[in-house]
Amino acid sequence: DQQVKQNSPSLSVQEGRISILNCDYTNSMFDYFLWYKKYPAEGPTFLISISSIKDKNEDGRFTVFLNKSAKHLSLHIVPSQPGDSAVYFCAASERTYGMRFGAGTRLTVKP
Amino acid sequence: DTEVTQTPKHLVMGMTNKKSLKCEQHMGHRAMYWYKQKAKKPPELMFVYSYEKLSINESVPSRFSPECPNSSLLNLHLHALQPEDSALYLCASSQDLRDRGRRDTEAFFGQGTRLTVV
Repeated sequence: DQQVKQNSPSLSVQEGRISILNCDYTNSMFDYFLWYKKYPAEGPTFLISISSIKDKNEDGRFTVFLNKSAKHLSLHIVPSQPGDSAVYFCAASERTYGMRFGAGTRLTVKP
Repeated sequence: DTEVTQTPKHLVMGMTNKKSLKCEQHMGHRAMYWYKQKAKKPPELMFVYSYEKLSINESVPSRFSPECPNSSLLNLHLHALQPEDSALYLCASSQDLRDRGRRDTEAFFGQGTRLTVV
Protein backbone atom coordinates (compact mmCIF):
# COMPACT_ATOMS: atom_id res chain seq x y z
CA ASP A 1 0.00 0.00 0.00
CA GLN A 2 1.78 3.09 -1.28
CA GLN A 3 0.85 5.97 0.99
CA VAL A 4 3.00 8.50 -0.85
CA LYS A 5 2.80 8.67 -4.62
CA GLN A 6 4.84 10.42 -7.23
CA ASN A 7 3.13 9.61 -10.49
CA SER A 8 5.69 11.14 -12.82
CA PRO A 9 8.81 8.99 -13.00
CA SER A 10 10.66 11.62 -15.00
CA LEU A 11 10.58 15.31 -15.89
CA SER A 12 12.71 17.24 -18.35
CA VAL A 13 12.93 21.04 -18.35
CA GLN A 14 15.08 23.69 -19.96
CA GLU A 15 17.64 25.57 -17.88
CA GLY A 16 16.15 28.76 -16.46
CA ARG A 17 12.58 27.51 -16.61
CA ILE A 18 10.42 26.30 -13.73
CA SER A 19 10.44 22.67 -12.60
CA ILE A 20 7.30 21.44 -10.87
CA LEU A 21 7.39 18.08 -9.14
CA ASN A 22 4.18 16.66 -7.75
CA CYS A 23 3.34 14.32 -4.90
CA ASP A 24 0.09 12.87 -3.56
CA TYR A 25 -0.54 11.09 -0.30
CA THR A 26 -3.35 9.00 1.09
CA ASN A 27 -2.74 8.94 4.84
CA SER A 28 -4.57 11.87 6.47
CA MET A 29 -2.44 11.37 9.59
CA PHE A 30 0.64 12.67 7.82
CA ASP A 31 1.49 16.07 9.21
CA TYR A 32 4.99 16.75 8.00
CA PHE A 33 6.25 16.59 4.45
CA LEU A 34 9.73 16.70 3.03
CA TRP A 35 11.54 16.69 -0.27
CA TYR A 36 14.85 14.90 -0.70
CA LYS A 37 17.23 14.98 -3.60
CA LYS A 38 19.30 11.95 -4.48
CA TYR A 39 22.32 11.51 -6.72
CA PRO A 40 23.46 8.03 -7.78
CA ALA A 41 25.50 6.15 -5.17
CA GLU A 42 24.69 8.72 -2.47
CA GLY A 43 22.18 8.88 0.33
CA PRO A 44 19.20 11.25 -0.02
CA THR A 45 19.91 14.88 0.86
CA PHE A 46 17.26 16.96 2.58
CA LEU A 47 15.98 19.83 0.46
CA ILE A 48 12.94 21.47 2.03
CA SER A 49 10.04 20.61 4.32
CA ILE A 50 6.60 21.84 5.26
CA SER A 51 4.39 21.31 8.26
CA SER A 52 0.69 20.62 7.78
CA ILE A 53 -0.16 23.91 9.50
CA LYS A 54 1.33 25.78 6.54
CA ASP A 55 0.50 25.83 2.86
CA LYS A 56 3.76 27.22 1.53
CA ASN A 57 7.42 27.20 2.45
CA GLU A 58 10.15 28.90 0.49
CA ASP A 59 13.92 28.49 0.54
CA GLY A 60 15.81 30.28 -2.18
CA ARG A 61 14.93 28.74 -5.54
CA PHE A 62 12.84 26.02 -3.91
CA THR A 63 9.22 26.39 -2.84
CA VAL A 64 6.96 23.66 -1.51
CA PHE A 65 3.19 24.03 -1.67
CA LEU A 66 0.79 21.92 0.38
CA ASN A 67 -2.90 21.43 -0.38
CA LYS A 68 -4.24 19.42 2.54
CA SER A 69 -7.77 19.08 1.22
CA ALA A 70 -6.42 17.52 -1.98
CA LYS A 71 -3.67 15.63 -0.13
CA HIS A 72 -1.23 17.04 -2.63
CA LEU A 73 2.09 18.79 -2.45
CA SER A 74 4.41 20.15 -5.06
CA LEU A 75 7.98 21.34 -5.29
CA HIS A 76 8.78 24.31 -7.51
CA ILE A 77 12.33 25.03 -8.59
CA VAL A 78 12.86 28.44 -10.16
CA PRO A 79 15.04 28.95 -12.09
CA SER A 80 16.08 25.38 -12.81
CA GLN A 81 19.79 24.71 -13.20
CA PRO A 82 21.63 21.73 -14.73
CA GLY A 83 23.01 20.91 -11.26
CA ASP A 84 19.43 20.29 -10.12
CA SER A 85 19.34 17.13 -12.25
CA ALA A 86 18.76 14.28 -9.80
CA VAL A 87 16.04 12.04 -8.45
CA TYR A 88 13.63 13.88 -6.15
CA PHE A 89 11.78 11.99 -3.45
CA CYS A 90 8.73 13.23 -1.65
CA ALA A 91 8.41 11.96 1.92
CA ALA A 92 5.78 12.19 4.63
CA SER A 93 5.61 11.43 8.31
CA GLU A 94 3.01 11.36 11.07
CA ARG A 95 3.34 11.66 14.82
CA THR A 96 5.00 8.29 14.95
CA TYR A 97 8.48 8.16 13.60
CA GLY A 98 9.88 7.35 10.21
CA MET A 99 9.23 8.83 6.83
CA ARG A 100 7.46 7.13 3.98
CA PHE A 101 8.86 7.90 0.56
CA GLY A 102 7.30 8.26 -2.85
CA ALA A 103 8.76 6.43 -5.83
CA GLY A 104 10.79 9.44 -6.94
CA THR A 105 10.87 11.67 -10.00
CA ARG A 106 14.01 11.93 -12.10
CA LEU A 107 14.51 15.57 -13.04
CA THR A 108 16.72 16.43 -16.00
CA VAL A 109 17.55 20.09 -16.57
CA LYS A 110 18.91 20.69 -20.05
CA PRO A 111 21.42 23.49 -20.69
CA ASP B 1 28.89 18.33 11.68
CA THR B 2 25.82 17.16 9.77
CA GLU B 3 27.28 13.89 8.71
CA VAL B 4 25.98 10.37 9.07
CA THR B 5 28.77 7.88 8.43
CA GLN B 6 28.07 4.35 7.28
CA THR B 7 30.56 1.52 7.01
CA PRO B 8 31.35 -0.40 4.96
CA LYS B 9 30.41 1.30 1.70
CA HIS B 10 30.25 -2.01 -0.12
CA LEU B 11 29.73 -5.52 1.20
CA VAL B 12 29.55 -8.88 -0.53
CA MET B 13 28.46 -11.77 1.64
CA GLY B 14 27.45 -15.37 1.24
CA MET B 15 24.11 -16.67 2.40
CA THR B 16 25.68 -18.41 5.40
CA ASN B 17 27.75 -15.43 6.53
CA LYS B 18 27.20 -13.15 9.48
CA LYS B 19 28.06 -9.50 8.95
CA SER B 20 27.19 -6.12 10.45
CA LEU B 21 26.51 -2.70 9.01
CA LYS B 22 27.50 0.28 11.10
CA CYS B 23 26.18 3.82 11.29
CA GLU B 24 27.45 6.74 13.34
CA GLN B 25 26.30 10.33 13.89
CA HIS B 26 27.46 13.08 16.23
CA MET B 27 24.64 15.58 15.79
CA GLY B 28 23.00 14.71 19.09
CA HIS B 29 20.08 13.11 17.28
CA ARG B 30 18.15 10.63 19.40
CA ALA B 31 16.13 9.09 16.56
CA MET B 32 17.91 6.77 14.15
CA TYR B 33 16.60 4.77 11.22
CA TRP B 34 17.42 1.95 8.85
CA TYR B 35 16.05 2.07 5.32
CA LYS B 36 16.43 -0.40 2.47
CA GLN B 37 16.48 0.77 -1.12
CA LYS B 38 16.27 -1.51 -4.13
CA ALA B 39 17.23 -0.28 -7.58
CA LYS B 40 14.78 2.27 -9.00
CA LYS B 41 12.61 2.06 -5.90
CA PRO B 42 12.14 4.50 -3.01
CA PRO B 43 13.78 3.92 0.36
CA GLU B 44 11.67 1.62 2.52
CA LEU B 45 11.61 2.06 6.26
CA MET B 46 12.89 -0.95 8.21
CA PHE B 47 13.53 0.13 11.80
CA VAL B 48 13.28 3.23 13.96
CA TYR B 49 15.13 3.78 17.22
CA SER B 50 14.15 6.48 19.68
CA TYR B 51 16.45 7.12 22.63
CA GLU B 52 18.25 3.84 21.92
CA LYS B 53 15.02 1.85 22.10
CA LEU B 54 13.43 0.14 19.12
CA SER B 55 10.16 1.94 18.44
CA ILE B 56 9.23 0.71 14.97
CA ASN B 57 9.91 -2.59 13.21
CA GLU B 58 8.25 -2.63 9.80
CA SER B 59 7.74 -6.41 9.83
CA VAL B 60 11.34 -6.99 8.85
CA PRO B 61 12.51 -10.65 8.75
CA SER B 62 14.52 -11.78 11.75
CA ARG B 63 17.61 -12.32 9.61
CA PHE B 64 18.00 -8.54 10.03
CA SER B 65 18.74 -7.62 13.63
CA PRO B 66 19.19 -3.96 14.61
CA GLU B 67 21.11 -2.75 17.59
CA CYS B 68 21.61 0.71 19.09
CA PRO B 69 24.48 0.44 21.59
CA ASN B 70 24.51 4.17 22.36
CA SER B 71 23.06 7.45 21.18
CA SER B 72 25.62 7.86 18.37
CA LEU B 73 25.75 4.35 16.95
CA LEU B 74 23.34 2.13 15.08
CA ASN B 75 24.16 -1.35 13.83
CA LEU B 76 22.36 -3.76 11.57
CA HIS B 77 23.38 -7.39 12.06
CA LEU B 78 22.89 -9.65 9.08
CA HIS B 79 22.62 -13.43 9.17
CA ALA B 80 21.49 -16.03 6.63
CA LEU B 81 20.48 -13.45 4.06
CA GLN B 82 18.98 -14.25 0.68
CA PRO B 83 20.07 -12.90 -2.72
CA GLU B 84 16.88 -10.81 -2.84
CA ASP B 85 18.17 -8.91 0.21
CA SER B 86 20.79 -7.31 -2.00
CA ALA B 87 20.13 -3.58 -1.88
CA LEU B 88 21.41 -0.22 -0.69
CA TYR B 89 20.99 0.04 3.08
CA LEU B 90 20.63 3.58 4.31
CA CYS B 91 21.00 4.87 7.83
CA ALA B 92 19.45 8.16 8.87
CA SER B 93 19.11 10.24 12.01
CA SER B 94 16.95 13.12 13.18
CA GLN B 95 15.98 14.99 16.26
CA ASP B 96 13.58 12.96 18.34
CA LEU B 97 9.95 14.07 18.45
CA ARG B 98 10.12 14.57 22.20
CA ASP B 99 13.02 16.99 21.84
CA ARG B 100 11.67 19.46 19.39
CA GLY B 101 7.89 19.55 19.33
CA ARG B 102 7.55 18.47 15.74
CA ARG B 103 9.85 21.05 14.26
CA ASP B 104 12.92 20.28 12.23
CA THR B 105 12.10 16.66 11.67
CA GLU B 106 14.28 16.35 8.61
CA ALA B 107 16.48 13.30 8.68
CA PHE B 108 20.08 13.25 7.57
CA PHE B 109 21.11 10.22 5.58
CA GLY B 110 24.38 8.42 5.25
CA GLN B 111 25.73 7.41 1.85
CA GLY B 112 24.57 3.87 2.36
CA THR B 113 26.08 0.40 2.25
CA ARG B 114 25.72 -1.40 -1.06
CA LEU B 115 25.06 -5.00 -0.03
CA THR B 116 25.32 -7.94 -2.41
CA VAL B 117 24.29 -11.39 -1.21
CA VAL B 118 25.72 -14.25 -3.27
